[in-house]
Amino acid sequence: ILNVEQSPQSLHVQEGDSTNFTCSFPSSNFYALHWYRWETAKSPEALFVMTLNGDEKKKGRISATLNTKEGYSYLYIKGSQPEDSATYLCASHNTNAGKSTFGDGTTLTVKP
Amino acid sequence: NAGVMQNPRHLVRRRGQEARLRCSPMKGHSHVYWYRQLPEEGLKFMVYLQKENIIDESGMPKERFSAEFPKEGPSILRIQQVVRGDSAAYFCASSPPQGGSYNEQFFGPGTRLTVL
Repeated sequence: ILNVEQSPQSLHVQEGDSTNFTCSFPSSNFYALHWYRWETAKSPEALFVMTLNGDEKKKGRISATLNTKEGYSYLYIKGSQPEDSATYLCASHNTNAGKSTFGDGTTLTVKP
Repeated sequence: NAGVMQNPRHLVRRRGQEARLRCSPMKGHSHVYWYRQLPEEGLKFMVYLQKENIIDESGMPKERFSAEFPKEGPSILRIQQVVRGDSAAYFCASSPPQGGSYNEQFFGPGTRLTVL
């Protein structure tokens, strides 16, 4: 994997459904993987910074896992709500210098 | 504690003019990042600065673009002789002094540049 890839590109679920999506990133020279939530007409908001293989982080109904050896991270949303509708971005850091590579995002739409 | 501030929010320039985009980081933050989102594309890293230093500018176009973060005042992204292809949303983000890539980045609202 040379680039950061996110799948699926978009996702439509019903309120109450649980969902998950994937971020694949280069596993060499890995430093950190950031997840962001980006609502329309707003700016990206940091969700998680993940650094260690096997990391699992949680914030309310949203959680994320990290596998640095194989280069992927999953983001899970339990019991989706309409207010969860947003684009979820991941960004891979392969140096400690601050430069990051973003995926194109997964756009989640939660229907009431 | 005010968040990251960017101004102007919208900027219209004619081809050949200069565009200056400003970013004031969160209080206590000394690291600034600039990103560009071209139409129908994702966020792309441009440059990473600390006070008075450019740390990584590998994402900056080779010509016409420059960035600075002086000891006093906001960070400035400067685009000289703008062309239509520079039309994009430009976001800046800031993070605290230590931690590098391990730190959360806090994004500003962006500047939408339109080149006529």
